[in-house]
Amino acid sequence: EVQLVQSGGGLVQPGGSLRLSCAASGFTFRSYWMTWVRQAPGKGLEWVANIKQDGSEKYYVDSVKGRFTISRDNARNSLYLQMNSLRAEDTAVYYCARVSFNVDIGTHDYWGQGTLVTVSS
Amino acid sequence: DILLTQSPSSLSASVGDRVTISCRASQYIDTFLNWYQHKPGGAPKLVIYGTSSLQGGLPSRFSGSGSGTDFILTISSLQPEDFATYYCQQTYNSLWTFGPGTKVEV
Repeated sequence: EVQLVQSGGGLVQPGGSLRLSCAASGFTFRSYWMTWVRQAPGKGLEWVANIKQDGSEKYYVDSVKGRFTISRDNARNSLYLQMNSLRAEDTAVYYCARVSFNVDIGTHDYWGQGTLVTVSS
Repeated sequence: DILLTQSPSSLSASVGDRVTISCRASQYIDTFLNWYQHKPGGAPKLVIYGTSSLQGGLPSRFSGSGSGTDFILTISSLQPEDFATYYCQQTYNSLWTFGPGTKVEV
């Protein structure tokens, strides 16, 4: 059974840092792109970042470029999101998800349970 | 960046109704369009991928159509478990985006 178990959310002050983790099991983690998606309170889903199987390619939404870093440790079957210079507008539930390509079309087919990040003084 | 718009932003429907949700892309995205269902407190669920392919295990009352810039999600006979917010998503280029969502409510 595919499982993505998230940890690391919480309350942080503006300008602070936080690292989210996502532990994967039930599939060959090193064979899949992975992603982070977030949902701010009362808002819709927002794609945040993708990372290739070996970490050699990373893509970010413009609003987090230069502040957030997606990474992975294939030996530990884990995905991370390092968030620096946090702003109030980064407050959201953050989801990790597996990326599958169906006929070259990327999809998020399995999701973590979500973790809340609150940026507030 | 490729922007997605959805209409309507919300709709009221009853069990058994046929529901259609539209998604329009700001530029050509071929058929690189997915639909997700999201219920409060849970994780989103992939419903349709590649514009018209039904994700495994999901009922055939869900269908998708379109290509290029205009896409439609159809629920042929709404069931109680279908009340949720639906998001389209494009994965045409390296920077993926979601639409703003359509809330389907009673």
